Amino acid sequence: ETGVTQTPRHLVMGMTNKKSLKCEQHLGHNAMYWYKQSAKKPLELMFVYSLEERVENNSVPSRFSPECPNSSHLFLHLHTLQPEDSALYLCASSQVGGQVGLRTGELFFGEGSRLTVL
Amino acid sequence: QQQVKQSPQSLIVQKGGISIINCAYENTAFDYFPWYQQFPGKGPALLIAIRPDVSEKKEGRFTISFNKSAKQFSLHIMDSQPGDSATYFCAARMNSGYSTLTFGKGTMLLVSP
Repeated sequence: ETGVTQTPRHLVMGMTNKKSLKCEQHLGHNAMYWYKQSAKKPLELMFVYSLEERVENNSVPSRFSPECPNSSHLFLHLHTLQPEDSALYLCASSQVGGQVGLRTGELFFGEGSRLTVL
Repeated sequence: QQQVKQSPQSLIVQKGGISIINCAYENTAFDYFPWYQQFPGKGPALLIAIRPDVSEKKEGRFTISFNKSAKQFSLHIMDSQPGDSATYFCAARMNSGYSTLTFGKGTMLLVSP
């Protein structure tokens, strides 16, 4: 396995369900991110974990709960979602620190988990 | 102001033509401006990036032009090919320990054969 892998690729859930999205990075990076991608809107940063510590939480509703057990794994726990939460959820990783260059902090994205909330 | 404004929303270019996508920003604290390319069913991938101390960066058929005084930057794709058909996102970032990129809304490019 290489890069950033996300599972499941597609998920359909009811508003009362509890599910989780999983992300795993095989790049040796020390920062991981959750982004939300909706049609005709900019990618929205949801959470950032740097060195396994949550460093940013952009006013995301509590029905989204992230978990980062180690530098290679990231989860997004979902419960009592709303239909407007239907979107593509992208995980990304990057390397924080080290020599600064044009590719410093480059985000490597997974292919995303397409979530539909009924 | 964190917003990055991107235009056009969609673009159709004939094969061999030049594709131009524009972005504008407000926050002068931004110090890194990447462009990401996203194919259907895939996550975005870094295409090319520039820092504000240069006015132009070229990699193959892809060029970023940067105008610091106007707070604008653009992506030029020369000799556009059908394989370039994708969604392109500009982004900007303030110098921080991690990459909190602010993205534009994206431009869907279609290069017709």
